[in-house]
Amino acid sequence: GENVEQHPSTLSVQEGDSAVIKCTYSDSASNYFPWYKQELGKRPQLIIDIRSNVGEKKDQRIAVTLNKTAKHFSLHITETQPEDSAVYFCAVLNTGGFKTIFGAGTRLFVKA
Amino acid sequence: GAGVSQSPSNKVTEKGKDVELRCDPISGHTALYWYRQSLGQGLEFLIYFQGNSAPDKSGLPSDRFSAERTGGSVSTLTIQRTQQEDSAVYLCASSFLQFEQYFGPGTRLTVT
Repeated sequence: GENVEQHPSTLSVQEGDSAVIKCTYSDSASNYFPWYKQELGKRPQLIIDIRSNVGEKKDQRIAVTLNKTAKHFSLHITETQPEDSAVYFCAVLNTGGFKTIFGAGTRLFVKA
Repeated sequence: GAGVSQSPSNKVTEKGKDVELRCDPISGHTALYWYRQSLGQGLEFLIYFQGNSAPDKSGLPSDRFSAERTGGSVSTLTIQRTQQEDSAVYLCASSFLQFEQYFGPGTRLTVT
C-alpha cells in the first residue's frame, strides 16, 4: 500500500524566515496531494493542494511543488508569522479511490 | 452553512464496553471518511464511504471496528469490546467527490 514519509518532524524558524516541509510517497498512481494545517486543539484544515498535472501552485505566502518522477512534494511558507505555528500534514490520494494517507506531521514553531 | 458535526464530543467508557460514534457530514457531500488521531500523532485512515458503500475497509485496526453510512448522510463508527489502546480522538471528514476534506471537531474517546 501507499507509504508517506514527512520531514522534518519539528521545525523552528524566526519570524520572517521561510519554512520548507517535504513529503515522499511510494505509489506512482497517486495524483492528488493536499496539505492540512492543524492548530492546537482544533481540527485539520486544508491550506493548499496540488494535482499531478501541475508542478507548482502558489497562494500568497504558501506554495507547493511536486516532482512526480522523484515522488516527492514540498510545502513552502515564506515570510513566516507567529500565527503560522501549527502542525502541518501532507496527504496523498489516488483519485481512482478515496483512501487518503497522511504523513506523520511537522510541528512548526515560528519565533517572534 | 453547517459544517461536519460529530457526537459525542467526549466519551469515557470502561474497557470491554461497546461505543458508537456519530458523524453528520456536510449536506451534499458524497464522500465520508473516518480517521483516528492519538495524542500528538498523525491521522490514521480507518475507512471511507462513497455514498453508502465502503469499498476499502483495510484501514480498520481490528474486527472490533465497524462502520456504516445510511441515506448517503449520517455515519456511525462502532467499536466493540473497547480496549485501552482504542483511546484517541476519532475524526470524521466529508468531501464532494475527491476534493477538499472538511473535518469535524472529533470525538475524544477515553477507555478506562
